[in-house]
Amino acid sequence: EPEVTQTPSHQVTQMGQEVILRCVPISNHLYFYWYRQILGQKVEFLVSFYNNEISEKSEIFDDQFSVERPDGSNFTLKIRSTKLEDSAMYFCASMRLGTSGTDTQYFGPGTRLTVL
Amino acid sequence: KQEVTQIPAALSVPEGENLVLNCSFTDSAIYNLQWFRQDPGKGLTSLLLIQSSQREQTSGRLNASLDKSSGRSTLYIAASQPGDSATYLCAGMNSGYSTLTFGKGTMLLVSP
Repeated sequence: EPEVTQTPSHQVTQMGQEVILRCVPISNHLYFYWYRQILGQKVEFLVSFYNNEISEKSEIFDDQFSVERPDGSNFTLKIRSTKLEDSAMYFCASMRLGTSGTDTQYFGPGTRLTVL
Repeated sequence: KQEVTQIPAALSVPEGENLVLNCSFTDSAIYNLQWFRQDPGKGLTSLLLIQSSQREQTSGRLNASLDKSSGRSTLYIAASQPGDSATYLCAGMNSGYSTLTFGKGTMLLVSP
């Protein structure tokens, strides 16, 4: 069964450094998402992406964040200058373009980002 | 803005018991609702999706219901097993290709 994959599984970085989190969505899906989950807290939406542009973003997704679909398979989240509070599990999700609310968002296993 | 709440935060039951997990949401204009399972340190596994036009969905020992008028969804797990131990999250979507708003989850422990 197709699945969303994410790399790396764990990233440790120093505060102020740039990180790129990578995702490979399910191949016939057209909607892509990034969410994050700070330890012990709710899963929070960051950004959605469709047709090579951002379709929606949350207040968390400020100028330090960017997303890109550099080729036909990868979907990346870049954090330009990491802060301690960016430490979290980051989840990528994808969804097929469907109808009538039938579509499920499928989540990857996550990347645990630790900012020191 | 949609808010999702899950009660209880944690639940411990003996193996074989039937149980119900609760999810409430504030905006009744919900498009669909998904239930997920999350094992410690792992990703989210989709269990069931209920469209706004449906009242329930079933998959194996799981049954999820949706009542838009009362702003509630329940996940019923029949004949619980130790392997069901995990955190269960519900999440609502407010339009067709929109984002999911998550509850904080119910941590379930099923003891042998």
